[in-house]
Amino acid sequence: AQSVTQLGSHVSVSEGALVLLRCNYSSSVPPYLFWYVQYPNQGLQLLLKYTSAATLVKGINGFEAEFKKSETSFHLTKPSAHMSDAAEYFCAVSTGSSNTGKLIFGQGTTLQVKP
Amino acid sequence: DGGITQSPKYLFRKEGQNVTLSCEQNLNHDAMYWYRQDPGQGLRLIYYSQIVNDFQKGDIAEGYSVSREKKESFPLTVTSAQKNPTAFYLCASSKQGQRGTQYFGPGTRLLVL
Repeated sequence: AQSVTQLGSHVSVSEGALVLLRCNYSSSVPPYLFWYVQYPNQGLQLLLKYTSAATLVKGINGFEAEFKKSETSFHLTKPSAHMSDAAEYFCAVSTGSSNTGKLIFGQGTTLQVKP
Repeated sequence: DGGITQSPKYLFRKEGQNVTLSCEQNLNHDAMYWYRQDPGQGLRLIYYSQIVNDFQKGDIAEGYSVSREKKESFPLTVTSAQKNPTAFYLCASSKQGQRGTQYFGPGTRLLVL
């Protein structure tokens, strides 16, 4: 069975500092992994996804994530935080085959950016 | 512009009342999903549908019902059997073959009077 664990429900960084949001997964099949972002009272927006091609995945708004099979991790990073990055971030793993598309989400990490 | 719309943005339910949340997409996606979001619990799958006239229960289907009579529409009914319905409800859709890539609507917040 697949599962996702996000380490840290709240992360606070200063503007311009490195952002690191942690995600570990468990999967019995080669995983497809995703990071989504949610701004207050809005739906989720796809940041990036890993689909078994390159292990370093670049997404929107300067975010990237690296798939590390040996560590079962898919941490999200951004070199320099901006105030507009303040949001909730969800890591997710896709279950099953390409036909189902079901996702299992982590608990979410709220990113606070201080001026 | 293609996308997913949810209505209403806010919905109030009285005790013993059934309420229906609307979800419409014009992306021509085959699959649609309903999630419930509670603070600190991430998103939990209520129901999903991969094709018209067919749907499956997710992890927390009790107290909810759905229909999929048209490809573009997937309404969710919160029944009186759902004793704790206060939450943020999100609808999503995905294209066949794009494993896991889901597109989300703006959400409906359900509150109990």
